[in-house]
Amino acid sequence: QITLKESGPTLVKPTQTLTLTCTFSGFSLSTSGVGVGWIRQPPGKALEWLALIFWDGDKRYSPSLKSRLSITKDTSKDQVVLTMTNMDPVDTATYYCAHRGIRGVIGAFDIWGQGTMVTVSS
Amino acid sequence: EIVMTQSPATLSVSPGERATLSCRASQSVSSNLAWYQQKPGQAPRLLIYAASTRATGIPARFSGSGSGTEFTLTISSLQSEDFAVYFCQQYNNWLSFGQGTKLEIK
Repeated sequence: QITLKESGPTLVKPTQTLTLTCTFSGFSLSTSGVGVGWIRQPPGKALEWLALIFWDGDKRYSPSLKSRLSITKDTSKDQVVLTMTNMDPVDTATYYCAHRGIRGVIGAFDIWGQGTMVTVSS
Repeated sequence: EIVMTQSPATLSVSPGERATLSCRASQSVSSNLAWYQQKPGQAPRLLIYAASTRATGIPARFSGSGSGTEFTLTISSLQSEDFAVYFCQQYNNWLSFGQGTKLEIK
């Protein structure tokens, strides 16, 4: 059974860097074809894909946010970490990590974490 | 960037009736299209991928169709648990989501 869970701060100040951790189980990020992505959703709004890391270390970022994002993996801990720099109140959202179960250049996500709400405010 | 446009924004349907939700891509995404269901306070759940393939455990009343730029999600006989927000997502060129359709009880 695949599960994912996000963790990190619930409140960050403008200009700070956000660091979120996705801890997963039920699969290995060293297995060919596997990927873990991050998606966010501002309150009452649509989903927005942020980043994806593949089993081989390849990384893909949303073109509109690429300059602010970094995604890494720790296979030994079954974790994926997302950092986002220069946080702004418009970045207030629920942040989800998800298992890429449907293949494609990026693919689609078949299992999602519960999400973690991050508020950006001074 | 491929823009995904969903219509209508809100759809009011009675339980037991059929619901038809639309998703249009700004350029062809072939059949690389997924549908998700999201209930309040919950994470999205994958319903359909490859435009028409149901994900594991998804009831047969959910069906997807289309290719290229026009896609449809049909729920054949609405159950109470189906009232939610539905998002489409293309994964042919990077990845982008539609703005969602809220399916509400009429």
